[in-house]
Parts: sequence; structure tokens; C-alpha cells
Amino acid sequence: AQKVTQAQTEISVVEKEDVTLDCVYETRDTTYYLFWYKQPPSGELVFLIRRNSFDEQNEISGRYSWNFQKSTSSFNFTITASQVVDSAVYFCALNTGFQKLVFGTGTRLLVSP
Amino acid sequence: DAGVIQSPRHEVTEMGQEVTLRCKPISGHDYLFWYRQTMMRGLELLIYFNNNVPIDDSGMPEDRFSAKMPNASFSTLKIQPSEPRDSAVYFCASSFLGGGADTQYFGPGTRLTVL
Repeated sequence: AQKVTQAQTEISVVEKEDVTLDCVYETRDTTYYLFWYKQPPSGELVFLIRRNSFDEQNEISGRYSWNFQKSTSSFNFTITASQVVDSAVYFCALNTGFQKLVFGTGTRLLVSP
Repeated sequence: DAGVIQSPRHEVTEMGQEVTLRCKPISGHDYLFWYRQTMMRGLELLIYFNNNVPIDDSGMPEDRFSAKMPNASFSTLKIQPSEPRDSAVYFCASSFLGGGADTQYFGPGTRLTVL
């Protein structure tokens, strides 16, 4: 069975702090895909990144970076120099190719000025 | 390019009424997904279509729920009769090819409140 665990329910930081959101996944499949989505207070789900199981290279996009480690089944997300606009719920998700996205329970990030 | 479009954005209805949610996927996408988001259960897949054909409806909670996709640019999710426990945010998403490599793009959601 596929499972995604986001153990951090809520994180509060002050603007400009760095913050890491944890994601641990479970699957027996050797081919799978990992995603991060952002859900701002307005409610929509915004795609951030996709990673396949064969590509363990870390990725950086502006203030965002992702650390994929198959050895620990983790796909963590770091925001550098956080801003108030980063306040949102962030979801990690897993897809093993059967068209079903399995979502974690989400981490609510509150960035205060 | 237009993203996934959903209507209405908000729906308030009374128990027992029929509710119809609508979705227009991204043009060219051949997979369409309906999800429901609640505090208790999080995000859960209800049903998905490939080329307008329902592939997996195992997530549909009850016979009161039905979904159709009469053409490549339109899908509906209907609840009849509605109950207060159906109150949730319903998302539609679409993707191209639909395999695990393909990103699902979500619409803005419909917030349904059943009184």
C-alpha cells in the first residue's frame, strides 16, 4: 500500500527564517513519482514540483529547494528566507503510476512578519 | 492558457436537494479526476476518467454520488439527495496521459455546504 506521512501538522516561523517541511513515503513500487502542492488561504491547489524515483538530484527553484533521499524514503521541502506569502498548507503526494495521487495530511505553515 | 475551471465556486443547499458540480479540464488533457477534501479525511480521490470513460469509481462514497463526462471538455459530479456530511471542497483536476509521471493540475474547487 502507498502512504505519505507529513508528521508536522503546523509550523510557525518569523519572516526570513528558513523552514523545512518533512515528507516520508511508503511504497513497494520501484517506479513512483513524488509531488508537492501548495494550498494558500484562497483554497486552490498549486503544483510546485514533481520528482521521479530514478532522479535523486536535489532541486532548487528560487527560495524553494527539495531534498529527495530514497535511502530514507523522504522528500523534504525547504523554504529559504520565508515570506508572509509562503503561509499556506503544503501537501506532499505520491503516485505509483496508477493514476491515483495519495496525499499526506498536509503541513500548515504560518509565516509572521 | 486557461487552467481547470470549476463552477460554482460556492454552493449552499439544503439537505435532500440535488447538487451538480461542473468542471472544464485543461484543453488537450485526457484524464480528469474528482477529489473531495474534508478536515476528517483530507484529500481523497472519488473517480477518474480517461478519454471521457470512467476508469475507477471506487472512491465514490455512495450511490447518491454520480459523475459523467459527456465530452472531452466537460464533466459533472452530481449528489442526489445531498446530506450535511457531503459538505466539503470538491476539486477537479486534469492531466495529460495520466500516468504517474504526469502532473495533475487542479481547479479552484467548489465549496459545498449542505444545511
